[in-house]
Amino acid sequence: GQQVMQIPQYQHVQEGEDFTTYCNSSTTLSNIQWYKQRPGGHPVFLIQLVKSGEVKKQKRLTFQFGEAKKNSSLHITATQTTDVGTYFCAGQGGANNLFFGTGTRLTVIP
Amino acid sequence: DTGVSQNPRHKITKRGQNVTFRCDPISEHNRLYWYRQTLGQGPEFLTYFQNEAQLEKSRLLSDRFSAERPKGSFSTLEIQRTEQGDSAMYLCASSLWSGRTEAFFGQGTRLTVV
Repeated sequence: GQQVMQIPQYQHVQEGEDFTTYCNSSTTLSNIQWYKQRPGGHPVFLIQLVKSGEVKKQKRLTFQFGEAKKNSSLHITATQTTDVGTYFCAGQGGANNLFFGTGTRLTVIP
Repeated sequence: DTGVSQNPRHKITKRGQNVTFRCDPISEHNRLYWYRQTLGQGPEFLTYFQNEAQLEKSRLLSDRFSAERPKGSFSTLEIQRTEQGDSAMYLCASSLWSGRTEAFFGQGTRLTVV
């Protein structure tokens, strides 16, 4: 079955440092989405990437979709305490269901 | 409130009992997903609907789990003969299948089986 793995599982950074999480799928994806889940909350949509090699930016967040459409990354520049949470990628494959990755929990130390 | 609504928010049940959860998606959304999430894990796909049709069910899903979306609007997830391992947060999400497929999640139903 479809599997989506993320690394690292946990990341602690000092406020102001950069952060990157990587996502890898066992199968080619039609698109990939990124979500953020705050402690005690539910996943909230951040962005969707569709095209091979696509790069999108949202303020301090940069999202990238790999050329083979099997991997993706999220990079946060100059982290802030408001960035705390777990970041999930979610891949949409041929069956059109939405599979979530294992997540990266980000802790920002003030 | 026009977001995804889930009821109940919390459910405590004894092992062996049946439970049913309800999800009301955003009204114009034709896709509805059910996920299960345990502490420290990502949402685990259970099943999804396109309108009233159940298009896929996880192979990991026990026969004790069943979901319906009878009129293509709200959905129910039933767990029969609950086990302690069923304790988790059950999340519902909906989306509009029109190319832009972002999923909007409800607050979830937290199930505790004692």
